[in-house]
Amino acid sequence: GAGVSQSPRYKVAKRGQDVALRCDPISGHVSLFWYQQALGQGPEFLTYFQNEAQLDKSGLPSDRFFAERPEGSVSTLKIQRTQQEDSAVYLCASSLGRASGYTGELFFGEGSRLTVL
Amino acid sequence: KQEVTQIPAALSVPEGENLVLNCSFTDSAIYNLQWFRQDPGKGLTSLLLIQSSQREQTSGRLNASLDKSSGRSTLYIAASQPGDSATYLCAADNYGQNFVFGPGTRLSVLP
Repeated sequence: GAGVSQSPRYKVAKRGQDVALRCDPISGHVSLFWYQQALGQGPEFLTYFQNEAQLDKSGLPSDRFFAERPEGSVSTLKIQRTQQEDSAVYLCASSLGRASGYTGELFFGEGSRLTVL
Repeated sequence: KQEVTQIPAALSVPEGENLVLNCSFTDSAIYNLQWFRQDPGKGLTSLLLIQSSQREQTSGRLNASLDKSSGRSTLYIAASQPGDSATYLCAADNYGQNFVFGPGTRLSVLP
C-alpha cells in the first residue's frame, strides 16, 4: 500500500475484554515497530520485528501484551484482559531497515486509539 | 539506556519568526536521528532524517543539524506559518534496534 495502515482507528473496550489491533506496513518494509503514546507524551517503544522475527519485545508492559507478524507483513498487537491504564494511542511504524544502504527512515500509521472503560 | 529530551516543551511565536527546536540524547552511538511532526489526533509525519555521518539536512524551510559528540540536534524553521503549528518530535535510532523518542515540543504559530 501507499502508507502504513492501522485498524481500527478507534476502539472502546470494557475492562477485562481482549482487543486486537492490526498494522499493515508499507509493502516491502522489513522492519516493523509498535509504540504506545499517552496523551501529551512522546511514543514509547513496545516491540520490534524484522520480517517475521520479533527481535525486541522489551517494551511490552506486561504479559497481557502480545504481538505477532507471522508472515513478515501484517502485524497484530493483542492486549488481553484490558485495564484502564492501557488506554492510549498505539502507533505502528515500518521501515526498509538499515541493511544495503537503507537509511532506516520510519513511516508511521495514523494510530489506533484505545479507550478502556 | 538512551534518553531523549526536547526543549522547549511548548513555544508560541508570531507568524514570520524564525525558530529553533532543540533535541538532546544521552548515547551518541546512534545510527541516525529523525524529526517528525504530529498534528492532533494524527500519526507522525517524517520531516527530516540525518544519518550519523551527516551534519545537517534541509527540506524547504526546515533545516536539521546533528552534533553526535555533544548529543544534540536542532530543527530550524524559517519564516514560520500558522500551518506549522503542531508537535515536533525527535527520535534517536540506536544500534540496539529501536527508536527512542523525546517528549516533543508543542509549537503554536499565531497569525
